[in-house]
Amino acid sequence: GAVVSQHPSWVICKSGTSVKIECRSLDFQATTMFWYRQFPKQSLMLMATSNEGSKATYEQGVEKDKFLINHASLTLSTLTVTSAHPEDSSFYICSASGSRGVTEAFFGQGTRLTVV
Amino acid sequence: GQNIDQPTEMTATEGAIVQINCTYQTSGFNGLFWYQQHAGEAPTFLSYNVLDGLEEKGRFSSFLSRSKGYSYLLLKELQMKDSASYLCAVGRGGGKLIFGQGTELSVKP
Repeated sequence: GAVVSQHPSWVICKSGTSVKIECRSLDFQATTMFWYRQFPKQSLMLMATSNEGSKATYEQGVEKDKFLINHASLTLSTLTVTSAHPEDSSFYICSASGSRGVTEAFFGQGTRLTVV
Repeated sequence: GQNIDQPTEMTATEGAIVQINCTYQTSGFNGLFWYQQHAGEAPTFLSYNVLDGLEEKGRFSSFLSRSKGYSYLLLKELQMKDSASYLCAVGRGGGKLIFGQGTELSVKP
């Protein structure tokens, strides 16, 4: 299957700072990438959909100015959590789909963000 | 709107069979996915159904009835390592997935 790499695996940051998470498709071109958030003992909640070269589409209730998404190339999308607060502490996971899988998307390994 | 329901928790015995149900009501449908997720890890793909019927893959099988908005995941010959969260997800096309709340399965000896 296709490989999606997410970095970092975990990060601890101070309240008020910004954190960038990268999602890379290693062996295919990802025309679309998705960002999910998962709180403890809850399921994955879709935050936004990003298409290469265009603005991301955010789900209802997700602040686009707080969660900045950039999809500048067919292999890289980034999620920046701006002015992070403790309530932003969560597990963030990306997935990517491309010409190899218009039905299926392939997940990165996730990033555990802790804001102190 | 969209609504995907599955039981929150289930317990089963090692070696037994367990069925995890999922019902859905969504405004768009492009297949039904099942994923397994261990704590702190990314989901692992288990199965995909787009047509009605049963898909069998080793110890895991998945069933879909589109008219009833219903799917189930069947796990046979349960092993301790099958203890995990099982996520039902509706595909919305192009790789977009809407997940249910997940079922935490505990396998006991």
